[in-house]
Amino acid sequence: LAKTTQPISMDSYEGQEVNITCSHNNIATNDYITWYQQFPSQGPRFIIQGYKTKVTNEVASLFIPADRKSSTLSLPRVSLSDTAVYYCLVGGAFSGNTPLVFGKGTRLSVIA
Amino acid sequence: EPEVTQTPSHQVTQMGQEVILRCVPISNHLYFYWYRQILGQKVEFLVSFYNNEISEKSEIFDDQFSVERPDGSNFTLKIRSTKLEDSAMYFCASSGTELRLSYEQYFGPGTRLTVT
Repeated sequence: LAKTTQPISMDSYEGQEVNITCSHNNIATNDYITWYQQFPSQGPRFIIQGYKTKVTNEVASLFIPADRKSSTLSLPRVSLSDTAVYYCLVGGAFSGNTPLVFGKGTRLSVIA
Repeated sequence: EPEVTQTPSHQVTQMGQEVILRCVPISNHLYFYWYRQILGQKVEFLVSFYNNEISEKSEIFDDQFSVERPDGSNFTLKIRSTKLEDSAMYFCASSGTELRLSYEQYFGPGTRLTVT
């Protein structure tokens, strides 16, 4: 499994765009990049997944450069409710029983 | 929207006692998992389960742990003789249908286990 590195914490004001970058230098050809979000005292929640270029859904965008050695999760106009830990995971997309390997994640604090 | 449910939300037990944590995965999912998170630490994989048998397990999942799908809806984690270090939040997750395998796992709200 490719090792991931992301900032331990970030602060942002409400209404700003937040970009969290994850490094994964040893990503394999068939690996996908997936981001999960975890609120305090809750289970992780899937946000977005991508393989290359850009993916966007109703919650976030994921930017992946051509070399795929890093990725950036972009949260547009954050609110206080976006305060959470964000995890970057790298692994196979269609392995039905692949365990998720979580790192320490990035703790995002949104300030009013 | 379908969701994974877990009971109880909080379990307090004495060291050496057996506990059973219960989960109801999303009904058409095929793959089931248990994870745990010790307070302030990472979410750690324990075990995955498919087609009524364990698919994969971590080093944490030793002989004190067992999983079972006793009927068509429940998925349980049993700890035979709890230790203080078993105190953690335990999360159940499920994923994948017959139509679509998916890396996306749906987590339950967790059971906080406190061993005294």
